[in-house]
Amino acid sequence: ETGVTQSPTHLIKTRGQQVTLRCSSQSGHNTVSWYQQALGQGPQFIFQYYREEENGRGNFPPRFSGLQFPNYSSELNVNALELDDSALYLCASSPPGSWGNEQFFGPGTRLTVL
Amino acid sequence: AQRVTQPEKLLSVFKGAPVELKCNYSYSGSPELFWYVQYSRQRLQLLLRHISRESIKGFTADLNKGETSFHLKKPFAQEEDSAMYYCALSFQGAQKLVFGQGTRLTINP
Repeated sequence: ETGVTQSPTHLIKTRGQQVTLRCSSQSGHNTVSWYQQALGQGPQFIFQYYREEENGRGNFPPRFSGLQFPNYSSELNVNALELDDSALYLCASSPPGSWGNEQFFGPGTRLTVL
Repeated sequence: AQRVTQPEKLLSVFKGAPVELKCNYSYSGSPELFWYVQYSRQRLQLLLRHISRESIKGFTADLNKGETSFHLKKPFAQEEDSAMYYCALSFQGAQKLVFGQGTRLTINP
């Protein structure tokens, strides 16, 4: 059974740029959630995707957007990057019937915005 | 709004001593509570959830609705317990986990 994978591992961008982060869900999982973890903080919910539709969103501006594909993999896009977007971005997948509460996390993508 | 508070950012105990990591939450309904752990250079992983009432790696946690707490306990700490621990809350119909800030537990030999 393959766990959640994320790419890239880390990247560096400059203010104003756009970035796309990718996530492959664990085999058999159909729900993907994204979290932002700033240094010294717990993960904060960005949004969740289920059946290719956004299924809940946290307190993040519209410049944070996402996609889910038919194979349940997902992308997180962030436009007009700001310095405060520097963080570890975590993807988590959930099996069917768990209502998104049982979440399996990937290793994360560390984004640095200069 | 739902909130999870872990009052200790750092906790250091000696091997063999009891451990208690505190977690308090605010939510008016019936929550689901979780403890997640992150060992050094590893991903965040589920340690235990209150509805399963399991003991994992010697850890237990009891949901106290009166005190709105879900403290994590282990009677005898081991060096391999050193890690970052996060308490998290969810509830029926929610799509998200609400995490606390985390407690870094260090077990001294």
